[in-house]
Formats: sequence, C-alpha cells, structure tokens
Amino acid sequence: DGGITQSPKYLFRKEGQNVTLSCEQNLNHDAMYWYRQDPGQGLRLIYYSQIVNDFQKGDIAEGYSVSREKKESFPLTVTSAQKNPTAFYLCASRPQVGNQPQHFGDGTRLSIL
Amino acid sequence: AQSVTQPDIHITVSEGASLELRCNYSYGATPYLFWYVQSPGQGLQLLLKYFSGDTLVQGIKGFEAEFKRSQSSFNLRKPSVHWSDAAEYFCAVVNTGNQFYFGTGTSLTVIT
Repeated sequence: DGGITQSPKYLFRKEGQNVTLSCEQNLNHDAMYWYRQDPGQGLRLIYYSQIVNDFQKGDIAEGYSVSREKKESFPLTVTSAQKNPTAFYLCASRPQVGNQPQHFGDGTRLSIL
Repeated sequence: AQSVTQPDIHITVSEGASLELRCNYSYGATPYLFWYVQSPGQGLQLLLKYFSGDTLVQGIKGFEAEFKRSQSSFNLRKPSVHWSDAAEYFCAVVNTGNQFYFGTGTSLTVIT
C-alpha cells in the first residue's frame, strides 16, 4: 500500500546533539512538508519542498535543516541551535497539481534527555 | 493573508448527540478547504474536502461539512456521534502557492 513512513516513532536527543528524522513516501508525490505540533498550537510549517533539490523555509525554520535529494525522501535535521526541540513532528506529501489534500505520516515524537 | 480560525478549543458531547465544529477562514480567492482528524500520537487523516460546486460535502465516517461563502465558514457536522469520534479535528485551507494553513484544532470528548 502507498503511504508515508516516518521513523523513528520516538527519538531522544541529548543537549548539543543533532538528530535526523526520516520521512519516506511511495505515493509519487512532488511536494513534501514538515510540520511541528505543540499542544494548543496546531501545526506549524518548518520546511517544504515542491520539487527535488529545492526547498523553502516555512514559518519556524530556525534550528532546522532539510534536504531533498530524492523524490521519495525528505529528511529533517533538528540541530543543536533549536533550543526547544521537544515536540511532535509530522511529515506530509501531496501531488503538486490540482489543490489536492496532504497525506500525513504517523509522526515522530522528539524529546530531550 | 490566509488564515483559519477554529473558535472552539474543546467540545464535549454525549454519544448519540449531534456535533458541529466551527471553522472560519480568511482567503481572498475561492478557497480550497479540508477537514482532518487526528487520534492521539497519530498523523492526520483526511475527512473531507471542498473545491467547488455543491456547498454540502460528504466525507468519511459519516461526517459532512457545509461551505458558506457569505460567512467565510466551513463547519463540520455529524448527526450522531460515536465514542470512537473522540479526537482532535483540524480545518485547513490551501493557497495558490500550495501552502496549507491549519487551524489550531478542536479537541472532541465524547461522553458515553
């Protein structure tokens, strides 16, 4: 079945450490997105990519980095510059045309040790 | 600027009662609107979408939503709520630049 796979489900980060969250999709979607979800704040856009080798900052990109070397993959790195990384991270994808809805992965919960 | 407002942070209903979750949007052109549902620790699942045409759209799990341009609203409804409907619900709008704007969500509790 087609879908979006996020891994790991739970991730722990030590102070000063970079961690990478994986997002893979086999839906042949062009666009991919990363959101951060905190209680009571809904979804906030971190980065998005509409095509391979291109991506744009969202509303809260500081302290995060991404790459889009393959259509299927859009990993998110939470750097040590992100001082409050504890959150639930959601990856999404969608076709580029037709104003189609986003499809979401099951998320990664990141916590600080 | 585009935005979505969900005025109700939390709603409690009894099982079998009807449900209406409010969503107001701000968008200059014809909006493309969506409702998603999220269970704890899970991703978002699409309930329904509105692009154009009939203003009453049907979705999965017995949900429907009505688009009212004059009120800039896209409220979600269900005639009879089941205990399994307890979850977080998000309304969203997408702009011509393919950016999605989500509301802050409404948490639904169902009393059995």
